[in-house]
Amino acid sequence: RKEVEQDPGPFNVPEGATVAFNCTYSNSASQSFFWYRQDCRKEPKLLMSVYSSGNEDGRFTAQLNRASQYISLLIRDSKLSDSATYLCVVISSTGNQFYFGTGTSLTVIP
Amino acid sequence: GAVVSQHPSRVICKSGTSVKIECRSLDFQATTMFWYRQFPKQSLMLMATSNEGSKATYEQGVEKDKFLINHASLTLSTLTVTSAHPEDSSFYICSARDPGRLYEKLFFGSGTQLSVL
Repeated sequence: RKEVEQDPGPFNVPEGATVAFNCTYSNSASQSFFWYRQDCRKEPKLLMSVYSSGNEDGRFTAQLNRASQYISLLIRDSKLSDSATYLCVVISSTGNQFYFGTGTSLTVIP
Repeated sequence: GAVVSQHPSRVICKSGTSVKIECRSLDFQATTMFWYRQFPKQSLMLMATSNEGSKATYEQGVEKDKFLINHASLTLSTLTVTSAHPEDSSFYICSARDPGRLYEKLFFGSGTQLSVL
């Protein structure tokens, strides 16, 4: 089983829609969780860290469910500029290893 | 500003030549750096972990004699694609971690688009 599983999509949604991505991880002792955004032929950029209490940044909400071992990213009121690939990243309990999801492709359609 | 600097951003070369890509950590000393490759519409694939002062650790299926990694200082790692061929054309990205902040985010270079003719 992969350390991190992520639905690759693609997700094609109309402008203004709400879209959610999930990412599951296999090691219950994993310590840190992040969502990154990657545009075509660019480096991944940190979108949000994910905390147990959940966190929100404008239209973006990230949540961690330790019991079910998944993290989620919710995007409300989608904009055209949200079109990108969204990667989840999980850091191990020791901090020595990190694992990427395969990335979920999102296209927001006018 | 950038915390990890990667150069060059784009390389076009003839088949058979070697290409060196540099990755520098600017704000911290990175004992470990990571090299990835990404083909179009595919996810990042870890190629190798570069360790300062010792040999790199390569992922399964990555030829260490073809992708030479040197991490000679705490702020610089280089990836050399030797005798490049068209199938090596890809987007190469490095990342580094601040050893004082292991549980925090990864810092990525801006990537190198390699095109082998």
